[in-house]
Amino acid sequence: TQLLEQSPQFLSIQEGENLTVYCNSSSVFSSLQWYRQEPGEGPVLLVTVVTGGEVKKLKRLTFQFGDARKDSSLHITAAQPGDTGLYLCAVYYSGAGSYQLTFGKGTKLSVIP
Amino acid sequence: GAVVSQHPSRVICKSGTSVKIECRSLDFQATTMFWYRQFPKQSLMLMATSNEGSKATYEQGVEKDKFLINHASLTLSTLTVTSAHPEDSSFYICSASRGPSNQPQHFGDGTRLSIL
Repeated sequence: TQLLEQSPQFLSIQEGENLTVYCNSSSVFSSLQWYRQEPGEGPVLLVTVVTGGEVKKLKRLTFQFGDARKDSSLHITAAQPGDTGLYLCAVYYSGAGSYQLTFGKGTKLSVIP
Repeated sequence: GAVVSQHPSRVICKSGTSVKIECRSLDFQATTMFWYRQFPKQSLMLMATSNEGSKATYEQGVEKDKFLINHASLTLSTLTVTSAHPEDSSFYICSASRGPSNQPQHFGDGTRLSIL
């Protein structure tokens, strides 16, 4: 089973619309990161959230860490074509193996002009 | 700061060829570098972790003899895919960190490897 479940997998919206994508888990984390990855490029860190209930804003992007630190959401207001990309959440996790940065499968966002 | 350069960005080669991918930290010293693989519609999966001057630690299921990793300096790590086959075709991404596993990782732009 996937440690981090991201939903929706795909999202296609019109420019100017608002949207929310989710990252859920049954595990508790000390922190969670959101990345954006554009086709043919590596992921770029957007934000790290560390406190339960924390809300961070990055221009039109609002990130929230769940109170129980098991889930997170990313809300984009008035989406622009430049927001198009794959949004990945990630946590540091050891599980049964090495301590590593573990990613969800991502939400692929397309913003249509 | 914290720029990571990966080269080449794209490789197309015949089956059986060995391919070397370079990962360089341009403006900081990377004690630890990581190599990931990303298949279409899948997330990034860690292949191995390398610390400067020591042998890489491979994740379960990753063949160390097939994916040779060298981290000879604090600014350069290389991944060599030996005797590549079509199933090795993927997007390979490196990242570099100033410290141990839980320090921020800075990602390169990836290498698209296509084996014919």
